Amino acid sequence: TQLLEQSPQFLSIQEGENLTVYCNSSSVFSSLQWYRQEPGEGPVLLVTVVTGGEVKKLKRLTFQFGDARKDSSLHITAAQPGDTGLYLCAGVDNAGNMLTFGGGTRLMVKP
Amino acid sequence: DAGVIQSPRHEVTEMGQEVTLRCKPISGHDYLFWYRQTMMRGLELLIYFNNNVPIDDSGMPEDRFSAKMPNASFSTLKIQPSEPRDSAVYFCASSIRAVRHYEQYFGPGTRLTVT
Repeated sequence: TQLLEQSPQFLSIQEGENLTVYCNSSSVFSSLQWYRQEPGEGPVLLVTVVTGGEVKKLKRLTFQFGDARKDSSLHITAAQPGDTGLYLCAGVDNAGNMLTFGGGTRLMVKP
Repeated sequence: DAGVIQSPRHEVTEMGQEVTLRCKPISGHDYLFWYRQTMMRGLELLIYFNNNVPIDDSGMPEDRFSAKMPNASFSTLKIQPSEPRDSAVYFCASSIRAVRHYEQYFGPGTRLTVT
């Protein structure tokens, strides 16, 4: 089983601040996904990164896949209360095995 | 298009009772997953199916848990007998692997409380 570690586990910031959360592993992944989960709902896919070094942007969210495809980061610019939620990363290993989910980063953005 | 549908949304039962959770995946998706989420253990994969066939059930915690997928549009997760430690939110998700790197679409979950 591939292990994905996310950091920090908890993050509480003020509206307008920037933040970065990380997803790390010692294993190589063929692709990595980021999900956001709001209270009482299921996780919702935000993005999939496939190529080492790839950067994808989704409005104020910037996702990067590490060059070695072992890690990823999510940067949020000018966070808003609507960004509050649990952010989960999940990876597919090179053998095409099923997704492994990280433990998540719980983000709270205060107005 | 309808997303993944789960029922019931909430279930409260007494220890020892049988619990059946239901899931309807997105039409055309060939993978179906069952997860359990708790604060302590996060999101855990219990079992997944491909074309209605169970592929990996290594995440199923005990023989008390069983899952079936009799057709492409329906799956059940059964716990018998239920125990308080089974209390969690259970999610069903579906995916098309070949196209989308297992990108998963989750249902709203079933919150199970076993007293």
